[in-house]
Amino acid sequence: AQSVAQPEDQVNVAEGNPLTVKCTYSVSGNPYLFWYVQYPNRGLQFLLKYITGDNLVKGSYGFEAEFNKSQTSFHLKKPSALVSDSALYFCAVTGGFKTIFGAGTRLFVKA
Amino acid sequence: GAVVSQHPSWVICKSGTSVKIECRSLDFQATTMFWYRQFPKQSLMLMATSNEGSKATYEQGVEKDKFLINHASLTLSTLTVTSAHPEDSSFYICSARLLAGGSNTGELFFGEGSRLTVL
Repeated sequence: AQSVAQPEDQVNVAEGNPLTVKCTYSVSGNPYLFWYVQYPNRGLQFLLKYITGDNLVKGSYGFEAEFNKSQTSFHLKKPSALVSDSALYFCAVTGGFKTIFGAGTRLFVKA
Repeated sequence: GAVVSQHPSWVICKSGTSVKIECRSLDFQATTMFWYRQFPKQSLMLMATSNEGSKATYEQGVEKDKFLINHASLTLSTLTVTSAHPEDSSFYICSARLLAGGSNTGELFFGEGSRLTVL
């Protein structure tokens, strides 16, 4: 069965500093991995995905993620955080037809 | 990107009444839509997969008679919470996937969510 783990409930970072939000996964076969962001009382917005190809994937709003097959990880990164990046971030994996979401990591960026 | 519209955004109802939530794909056809429920400070829980023209597929533990799903067209799926009770209060989110060449590798596009409060 497929699963996604986001080990951090919350990540705090100062504006301008790099940020990393961690994600590890478990899935049989090739993983289809995604990151989504959710602002309060809103639906989720797609940030980026890894299907195949380069391990470093670039997405919306300056975010990127690195697929590491040996460590079964797909960490979300941004070189320089903005206060407006503060939100809830979900890692997700699609295996078969269903998409399974991690528990979410709340990112706080302080000015 | 594709747009999914969900309505209403907020709804308050009395215990025992039924509430209908609509999910529309505005610029693409969605043969399949997904309904999620999100509790405060928790992740999304997949409730059911809505299939156009056929019965929905419910996840284990989700009462199909309680949460009625209808997917009558390629652009509209509805979730009806029947005889709502306070414990049904939650944030309900729908989503749809753009199929790329018939595969399931595409990302999900989400509605804005519907916050249901049952008094």
